[in-house]
Amino acid sequence: DIQMTQSPSSLSASVGDRVTITCRASQTIRSYLNWYQQKPGKAPKLLIYAASTLQSEVPSRFSGSGSGTDFTLTITSLQPEDFATYYCQQSYSTWTFGQGTKVEIK
Amino acid sequence: QVHLVESGGGLVLPGGSLRLSCAASAFTFSDYYMSWIRQAPGKGLEWVSYISGSSTYTNYADSVKGRFTISRDNAKNSVYLQMNSLRAEDTALYYCARAMDSSARYGLDVWGQGTTVTVSS
Repeated sequence: DIQMTQSPSSLSASVGDRVTITCRASQTIRSYLNWYQQKPGKAPKLLIYAASTLQSEVPSRFSGSGSGTDFTLTITSLQPEDFATYYCQQSYSTWTFGQGTKVEIK
Repeated sequence: QVHLVESGGGLVLPGGSLRLSCAASAFTFSDYYMSWIRQAPGKGLEWVSYISGSSTYTNYADSVKGRFTISRDNAKNSVYLQMNSLRAEDTALYYCARAMDSSARYGLDVWGQGTTVTVSS
């Protein structure tokens, strides 16, 4: 199975900061990489699919890039509602999620 | 409004069985792959299984292969997860989710609120 490794596992940031989360696949997954946001007690929400396509109604401060094995999720100008845990997920073969990155308030 | 509602969770003894259900509404159910994802308490997301719209294709995580079976009834707009030989490590919140495209390559765009499974003696 393809392993997905996110870094960092957690980070502290302030409102207005630029935040970058990295996801690395153990083998190529082309562009079949999705990003989710999960807030405590809530179901995950799809943010980005196919590595860089913004899901409908997701704010444009979220962006994704990468292909092959290395991917990034970037949040420009972090907002209070963005403090959450973020997961990458590969859909190239048998699906797997990364372990998550918790974005906390500094 | 597109909606998924899970049910069937509960407390079960190790080695026991449980059947989860997920009822869908407000979309053409048979057009979509459906999936189960779980989250153990305080842990991350773990994909469990998916099934194609016509039930032709199914796939499972290694951790549940041979113990869990996914199925669907398009006439009832429902997807199911039969869980046998349950273990303590199967304890989790189980989410039902819809794949956003017919090839299941582009993410899970609709999620239910989950149903809790606890395996304990």
